[in-house]
Amino acid sequence: EAQVTQNPRYLITVTGKKLTVTCSQNMNHEYMSWYRQDPGLGLRQIYYSMNVEVTDKGDVPEGYKVSRKEKRNFPLILESPSPNQTSLYFCASRGGAVHSPLHFGNGTRLTVT
Amino acid sequence: ILNVEQSPQSLHVQEGDSTNFTCSFPSSNFYALHWYRWETAKSPEALFVMTLNGDEKKKGRISATLNTKEGYSYLYIKGSQPEDSATYLCAGAYNTDKLIFGTGTRLQVFP
Repeated sequence: EAQVTQNPRYLITVTGKKLTVTCSQNMNHEYMSWYRQDPGLGLRQIYYSMNVEVTDKGDVPEGYKVSRKEKRNFPLILESPSPNQTSLYFCASRGGAVHSPLHFGNGTRLTVT
Repeated sequence: ILNVEQSPQSLHVQEGDSTNFTCSFPSSNFYALHWYRWETAKSPEALFVMTLNGDEKKKGRISATLNTKEGYSYLYIKGSQPEDSATYLCAGAYNTDKLIFGTGTRLQVFP
């Protein structure tokens, strides 16, 4: 089954404790992206990757890191989480150009206390 | 700053009613317009991607139109059913990398 898999689904952590949210897709997509969803705001792009070893900042990259060592994986790293990073996070991938639809993972609800 | 706006913010309709909502987007440097359906506790799922002015797409009881000159898209649901209850997101694409999402229209269909 074609899918984007995110883990964990739920995460509660404390300020400053490094964490990684994993994302993997099995559709051989070149493009992958991370979004965060906050109440009253649209999905905002954190980072994206057009291909292996190619990553770029989105609209809200501060406090996040990503890596793309393999085509299928695109982990999101919070080196020192803060409460303002409490949010719902989505990983997404697409094949082809910007007129191709995004395939979303199931989301990770992160709470930083 | 590019801004994609959706209206209304929320909508409550009776089962069987037809409904529509709007996505407004900047028309300059436009590449594509995406519609997604997002059910509670699930992930957004693609409904349509449209690129050309005048495009119309249909999937079952849901259809969408696109006007790139004036910068708007309509999503129509004919004969709404309770299972149509979801948040409907639109997103404009302005280069090869970036989608700008609206805040969504939350639809609730009552039996």
